[in-house]
Amino acid sequence: KAGVTQTPRYLIKTRGQQVTLSCSPISGHRSVSWYQQTPGQGLQFLFEYFSETQRNKGNFPGRFSGRQFSNSRSEMNVSTLELGDSALYLCASSLFGTVNNEQFFGPGTRLTVL
Amino acid sequence: AQSVAQPEDQVNVAEGNPLTVKCTYSVSGNPYLFWYVQYPNRGLQFLLKYITGDNLVKGSYGFEAEFNKSQTSFHLKKPSALVSDSALYFCAVRALNFGNEKLTFGTGTRLTIIP
Repeated sequence: KAGVTQTPRYLIKTRGQQVTLSCSPISGHRSVSWYQQTPGQGLQFLFEYFSETQRNKGNFPGRFSGRQFSNSRSEMNVSTLELGDSALYLCASSLFGTVNNEQFFGPGTRLTVL
Repeated sequence: AQSVAQPEDQVNVAEGNPLTVKCTYSVSGNPYLFWYVQYPNRGLQFLLKYITGDNLVKGSYGFEAEFNKSQTSFHLKKPSALVSDSALYFCAVRALNFGNEKLTFGTGTRLTIIP
């Protein structure tokens, strides 16, 4: 079974631009979560989607948004990029409907904002 | 609210020696605990998890972790360290209740195995 895939793997943008990252979960997984990883803040939860609905949200500004499609694929968007948005963005997928489901992570998208 | 503390940013161990990476947690209700490992420029790889049952959990690559409810700890251990174990290790927790998918991670511990 293929793992979680994220595209693109690397991205360079300039301040003020916007960016869209994509995540394809493991086949059959219906929940997708996004995390931001930076050296200073560590791993921080962004949001989680299930059945095209955002179920949980972390403490990030409204510039960070996401969505999930009917095939469970998910995208996250960051508008008006700031230097501090430079990070590794990780996507994780899990089954849903059981209390003990675990998350499987993709390789991440490395975003650099210049 | 849930939280995880990894008190050591860096742990150095000689190859062949036992290793321990520490983790303590705070969560409302029963915890669901994880250890993940991250190699350079890679995502997180799952090592092991604890839900219920035996307090000693065995995982991938010879790692194990001991759940201690009274001390709210979930330390990662390995009897004999390998150079290839050098990586960044994250402990994570979430409450064991339906509908909560949010994982809270510790700040990570960089493990270096010295040949």
